[in-house]
Amino acid sequence: DSGVTQTPKHLITATGQRVTLRCSPRSGDLSVYWYQQSLDQGLQFLIQYYNGEERAKGNILERFSAQQFPDLHSELNLSSLELGDSALYFCASSALLAGGATGELFFGEGSRLTVL
Amino acid sequence: KNQVEQSPQSLIILEGKNCTLQCNYTVSPFSNLRWYKQDTGRGPVSLTIMTFSENTKSNGRYTATLDADTKQSSLHITASQLSDSASYICVVSLSGYALNFGKGTSLLVTP
Repeated sequence: DSGVTQTPKHLITATGQRVTLRCSPRSGDLSVYWYQQSLDQGLQFLIQYYNGEERAKGNILERFSAQQFPDLHSELNLSSLELGDSALYFCASSALLAGGATGELFFGEGSRLTVL
Repeated sequence: KNQVEQSPQSLIILEGKNCTLQCNYTVSPFSNLRWYKQDTGRGPVSLTIMTFSENTKSNGRYTATLDADTKQSSLHITASQLSDSASYICVVSLSGYALNFGKGTSLLVTP
């Protein structure tokens, strides 16, 4: 158990709909990361938050947005869903090392989104 | 072009055999290099983290090596088990917070 909790585990929805994925980081970790993994593909970095503030942005579509709340949990919002958005969405959390480097990443078990 | 390249893309070995996975990177300045194991449909799990000053680190039957001069790392798995079947991902961390992921090597261990 990594200590990172993601909900829901599975989600099936239709094109054009909007969904929200939730992540609770490991206790004490201030950084939260979101990744997308399509079938047989590598992990694609979407966005990172640190203590409520956006820290880095990757290949995140404009239809997608995220935020980190004061209690440090994070939500990833996916709107106007398309078939190609079907994927595993992983959340990870980490502490920051001295000098600002990223500490060890702890991944949740992912949310599997299927868009029909 | 991905700044972290892994090879081979996939590998099949017999149970009990050893294998070595490769990771070449071009990113700099380099902070640390990580290897993760990802079982199918599960979240990745950290195996090793090495800073630029370390050239080897072990975690049970997994041994990672790093040559910062040639920007190469390898993950050696000894006496493979069926449970080693997974994707192995190399991640290079730049100074600061950016992480660069390789696409992974898919390993299948057969009886």
